[in-house]
Amino acid sequence: AQSVTQLGSHVSVSEGALVLLRCNYSSSVPPYLFWYVQYPNQGLQLLLKYTSAATLVKGINGFEAEFKKSETSFHLTKPSAHMSDAAEYFCAVTEYSSASKIIFGSGTRLSIRP
Amino acid sequence: DTAVSQTPKYLVTQMGNDKSIKCEQNLGHDTMYWYKQDSKKFLKIMFSYNNKELIINETVPNRFSPKSPDKAHLNLHINSLELGDSAVYFCASSQRGGRRTYEQYFGPGTRLTVT
Repeated sequence: AQSVTQLGSHVSVSEGALVLLRCNYSSSVPPYLFWYVQYPNQGLQLLLKYTSAATLVKGINGFEAEFKKSETSFHLTKPSAHMSDAAEYFCAVTEYSSASKIIFGSGTRLSIRP
Repeated sequence: DTAVSQTPKYLVTQMGNDKSIKCEQNLGHDTMYWYKQDSKKFLKIMFSYNNKELIINETVPNRFSPKSPDKAHLNLHINSLELGDSAVYFCASSQRGGRRTYEQYFGPGTRLTVT
């Protein structure tokens, strides 16, 4: 069965600093992987997705993620944090089954210090 | 041009009441979902319909009943509301590709408060 683990329920960085949010996955088949962002009082918005094409995936708002099969990781990065990046971030993997669920991680809250 | 819409956005009601939440998507997707998000932001899938057929029915009290009149609509009816039902409920849609689904698009959520 597929699963994702997000390391760190809360990450705090200074404005302008590198953002690194960690996600490790478990899958017996080539995974489809996603990062979503949830701003306060809003729904989840797709940041980027990996579906077995290029291993470095660029998303919206300057975020990118790299698929590393050897490390079973799909970490999310942004070179320079903005105050507007403060939100909850979810890593997710598609289940390979007749039900086709998307399995979400437990989320990482990103705070930005002025 | 809202892709996935839900109504109402806020719902405050008393214990024991029955309420419904409606969801509509205009993306042409064939699969729709209901999620419950608790106060710790944990997302729990409840139900999923593919072309009006129920394909995911997680361990949810049978007070919760989904209904999909067509593949663009998925409603959630809740009977005999309890305090523990207070949460944010999200609708989502996606397009299936064989044994996998592609990315899901989420509605803005319905914040249910049971008093």
